[in-house]
Amino acid sequence: DSGVTQTPKHLITATGQRVTLRCSPRSGDLSVYWYQQSLDQGLQFLIQYYNGEERAKGNILERFSAQQFPDLHSELNLSSLELGDSALYFCASSLSGGDNEQFFGPGTRLTVL
Amino acid sequence: AQSVTQLGSHVSVSEGALVLLRCNYSSSVPPYLFWYVQYPNQGLQLLLKYTSAATLVKGINGFEAEFKKSETSFHLTKPSAHMSDAAEYFCAVSDGGSSNTGKLIFGQGTTLQVKP
Repeated sequence: DSGVTQTPKHLITATGQRVTLRCSPRSGDLSVYWYQQSLDQGLQFLIQYYNGEERAKGNILERFSAQQFPDLHSELNLSSLELGDSALYFCASSLSGGDNEQFFGPGTRLTVL
Repeated sequence: AQSVTQLGSHVSVSEGALVLLRCNYSSSVPPYLFWYVQYPNQGLQLLLKYTSAATLVKGINGFEAEFKKSETSFHLTKPSAHMSDAAEYFCAVSDGGSSNTGKLIFGQGTTLQVKP
């Protein structure tokens, strides 16, 4: 158990819908990262938040957004969903950034039908 | 831009044999390098990391990796494979510069099969 929790574990929805994925970091970690894992794209960095502020952005679509709340949990919002958004979405947390170890949650498997 | 290439999407070894998983990186700044393991239906777990200290890095479960700047490589090895090592392995790089955010750029992954 990494100490990072993600809800829900599985999500099945239809094209055009909007979903919210939730992540609670390990106690004491200020940094939260979101990654997408799919068969064709592999593991891709989406976005990072540090203590409530966006710190780095990767290959995140405009239809996707995220935020980190004062209690440090984070949410990833995916809208206007397409079939190609079906993937495993991981959240990871670390103390700050840099070379600090990132602890990964178990992931949320999103299926868009 | 940084990138990682893992040579071989699938590696098969016999139990007790040497494990060698290859990783080459590209980075314009001194990199931090990582190996993660992913067991079926689980998240990623850090095996080891290189952050510009010793070039030979020892990790968990008997794995180690050597940073070779001249070859831009960071290959993962284990002297003797166990059945429990069967999993997917990811090499990753992050920016070791002053503005390092820690975001990880992953390779495509290598599935390790261990035969009895």
